[in-house]
Amino acid sequence: DTGVSQDPRHKITKRGQNVTFRCDPISEHNRLYWYRQTLGQGPEFLTYFQNEAQLEKSRLLSDRFSAERPKGSFSTLEIQRTEQGDSAMYLCASSLMGSSGNTIYFGEGSWLTVV
Amino acid sequence: DQQVKQNSPSLSVQEGRISILNCDYTNSMFDYFLWYKKYPAEGPTFLISISSIKDKNEDGRFTVFLNKSAKHLSLHIVPSQPGDSAVYFCAASEKTSGSRLTFGEGTQLTVNP
Repeated sequence: DTGVSQDPRHKITKRGQNVTFRCDPISEHNRLYWYRQTLGQGPEFLTYFQNEAQLEKSRLLSDRFSAERPKGSFSTLEIQRTEQGDSAMYLCASSLMGSSGNTIYFGEGSWLTVV
Repeated sequence: DQQVKQNSPSLSVQEGRISILNCDYTNSMFDYFLWYKKYPAEGPTFLISISSIKDKNEDGRFTVFLNKSAKHLSLHIVPSQPGDSAVYFCAASEKTSGSRLTFGEGTQLTVNP
């Protein structure tokens, strides 16, 4: 499978705990994105990387959230001191800068439930 | 401030008929538009896109129409099939945004056999 891969697919955690999600983009893609989706809403942009540089962060990304892409390949999204409002699907996506248009391809998502 | 809106939360059509999903936007800087399909518990799957220099793009059963003056786009699926039943999201981006997409709220399409 050469699509975007996310791990874990599901995570249940207690409030106050830290969680980390991993994303492996499509191998030749140099841009990587994180989105969050809650029930009944469309995906909301969190942040994106071009190679290893984090170029943009949404105001939705509070200080408890941190994303890294250390070698310009896989990425991690860490949420510290989780709150119940963090329960959502976290989507990773990737694209190739310079390809036709701005088409990005999503992974299967990581469901987070904070209890 | 919802820059991309899908005003119909749901749509139901008969198999074989046309499905028309609508999307409106407010940001005149948007220059690229996409439609994604999403099944429950899965990530969105890219369907079709259109650049602002065009007013129509077709791919098999799927056609996207763009009316820039009305800031409106639509997705036509014909003929509709039961496997098309999913949530459809409209998304838009602008050249300066680094490919960041702004999504609508989605429309649940149900195609009845």
